[in-house]
Amino acid sequence: DVQMTQSPSSLSASVGDRVTIPCRASQNISNYLNWYQQKPGKAPKLLIFAASGLQSGVPSRFSGSGSGTDFTLTISSLQPEDFATYYCQQSYSSPGGTFGQGTKVEVK
Amino acid sequence: QVQLVQSGAEVKKPGASVKVSCKASGYTLIRNYMHWVRQAPGQGLEWIGMINPSGGSTTYAQKFQGRVTMTRDTSTSTVYMDMSSLRSEDTAVYYCARASMTVVRGVHFYPFDLWGQGTMVTVSS
Repeated sequence: DVQMTQSPSSLSASVGDRVTIPCRASQNISNYLNWYQQKPGKAPKLLIFAASGLQSGVPSRFSGSGSGTDFTLTISSLQPEDFATYYCQQSYSSPGGTFGQGTKVEVK
Repeated sequence: QVQLVQSGAEVKKPGASVKVSCKASGYTLIRNYMHWVRQAPGQGLEWIGMINPSGGSTTYAQKFQGRVTMTRDTSTSTVYMDMSSLRSEDTAVYYCARASMTVVRGVHFYPFDLWGQGTMVTVSS
């Protein structure tokens, strides 16, 4: 099975910061990589599909990059509503794929 | 309004079964695969399996094979996830999630673009 690694598990940032969140796959997954945002007590929300495709309705400050094994979610200018946990998901090796353990973006 | 509405919280004893429902509205159920994902308290997301509501075919994660059954009722636009032989480690929030096809440079992708609100299942003696 493809394993997804997200490290760090948390990071501290301030409003207006540029934030980058890494995700690494245990093998080549091409661009079969999605990103989700989850706030406490809420369901995940799709942000990015196919590594770099912006989901409709998602602000343009969110962007995704990478291919193969290394991927990055970037928030160009962190807003108050962006403090949340972010998960990557690979969909290369099985229908539902596997998720990373998440990176929590906290207030510095 | 396009949404998935799940059934309410459940408390079960070890060894029991639970059936969680997910009702789709605002779109045609049979046009999208439906997945189930769970999240234990304070933990990450874990894929359980999926159902094709059109024909009813299913695929389950190996970990849950033999213990989970997914079904659908197209007349009510509802999918169901039934999990048996529950143990304390199954305590989690269970989500249904719709997969929508997106084509990027000729390649098909199926991200989870719509999620239910979640159903808390607590397994405790």
